[in-house]
Amino acid sequence: QVTLRESGPALVKPTQTLTLTCTFSGFSLSTSGMCVSWIRQPPGKALEWLARIDWDDDKYYSTSLKTRLTISKDTSKNQVVLTMTNMDPVDTATYYCARSDSGWYDYWGQGTLVTVSS
Amino acid sequence: DIQMTQSPSTLSASVGDRVTITCRASQSISSWLAWYQQKPGKAPKLLIYKASSLESGVPSRFSGSGSGTEFTLTISSLQPDDFATYYCQQYNSYSPLPFGQGTRLEIK
Repeated sequence: QVTLRESGPALVKPTQTLTLTCTFSGFSLSTSGMCVSWIRQPPGKALEWLARIDWDDDKYYSTSLKTRLTISKDTSKNQVVLTMTNMDPVDTATYYCARSDSGWYDYWGQGTLVTVSS
Repeated sequence: DIQMTQSPSTLSASVGDRVTITCRASQSISSWLAWYQQKPGKAPKLLIYKASSLESGVPSRFSGSGSGTEFTLTISSLQPDDFATYYCQQYNSYSPLPFGQGTRLEIK
């Protein structure tokens, strides 16, 4: 059974760095073709793709956010970590991690709401 | 970068109606398209992949078609549980903008 779960702070202050962890089970990120992505959704708005890390440690980032994002994995712990620097109120959103092995996202975490406010 | 455009943004329909949502890609993506359903407060749920393949467990009233740059998601007979927001996603090639902007399906 595949599951993913996001964890991290619910509230961060402007200019702070956000660190989110996606802890998963039921698959291995060392399996060829496997990927985990981070996707966010501001309240009432559309899905926005942020970053992806592949089984071979290739990494991809949103063009508009790439200077602020870092994605990494710990295969032994079944975790993917996303850091986003210099947080702003416009970054308030629900952050999801999701799995893909053929391009589409077949499993998603339940999401974690991050509010940026002083 | 490939961009995905959905239409309409909002669709009003009644239970039993047949509805179609369109997704257009800014360049050809072959059949590398997925559709998701999202309900308020929930993560998106995969409905369709490879443009027309139904994900396991998804009711057969959902169907997808298209290739190249134009794709459709059709619900043959709307059920009360189908009122939600729908997103398309391309995975033909790496793009930082893989999702459409969403189509909200509301009760008429």
